[in-house]
Amino acid sequence: DTEVTQTPKHLVMGMTNKKSLKCEQHMGHRAMYWYKQKAKKPPELMFVYSYEKLSINESVPSRFSPECPNSSLLNLHLHALQPEDSALYLCASSQNEKQNQPQHFGDGTRLSIL
Amino acid sequence: AQSVTQLGSHVSVSEGALVLLRCNYSSSVPPYLFWYVQYPNQGLQLLLKYTSAATLVKGINGFEAEFKKSETSFHLTKPSAHMSDAAEYFCAVSPTSDSWGKLQFGAGTQVVVTP
Repeated sequence: DTEVTQTPKHLVMGMTNKKSLKCEQHMGHRAMYWYKQKAKKPPELMFVYSYEKLSINESVPSRFSPECPNSSLLNLHLHALQPEDSALYLCASSQNEKQNQPQHFGDGTRLSIL
Repeated sequence: AQSVTQLGSHVSVSEGALVLLRCNYSSSVPPYLFWYVQYPNQGLQLLLKYTSAATLVKGINGFEAEFKKSETSFHLTKPSAHMSDAAEYFCAVSPTSDSWGKLQFGAGTQVVVTP
């Protein structure tokens, strides 16, 4: 059982839809991350939140909009996505942003864009 | 700049045989090092980490890794493979400098365990 919970597990949406991915952790972690993972590839960092503030945006297109409502929740709002955005989206958390802190991953949301 | 190389994108091992997955890093200062495993349709699970304490690190599920500064390596081993070890394994590094640096993943090694 993972301590980082992501919903939904699967999502199929059209290019004109608006949807949101949700991530929740109750480990008291203060850093949270969104990654995108294509098949047979390592995860690619998208965003980092530290103490509920966006600290890193890895030049992600504006059709992806992150939000951190509180220290336990992380959302990723999706709008006007492209077929190449189909991937596994992973959320992770760590105690803080310090480099020696391991990241704990959720099981991801598998997103398919029609 | 740091980088990490995993030698071998696919490894096939017999059940009961030694599992050896290779990871080399390149950075001027030894980084923090991690091994993660990803089972099908799941996220990444931390196997073990090296954060400048003991050079031989023991992890979960019988895995261990040895940090060798002279070889800039952090290879992962398990004495006896189980069928349940079939998965994708990622080595990852992060810098030990004060400035934030993202977790850099290797390309991954797919492990297949044959009966």
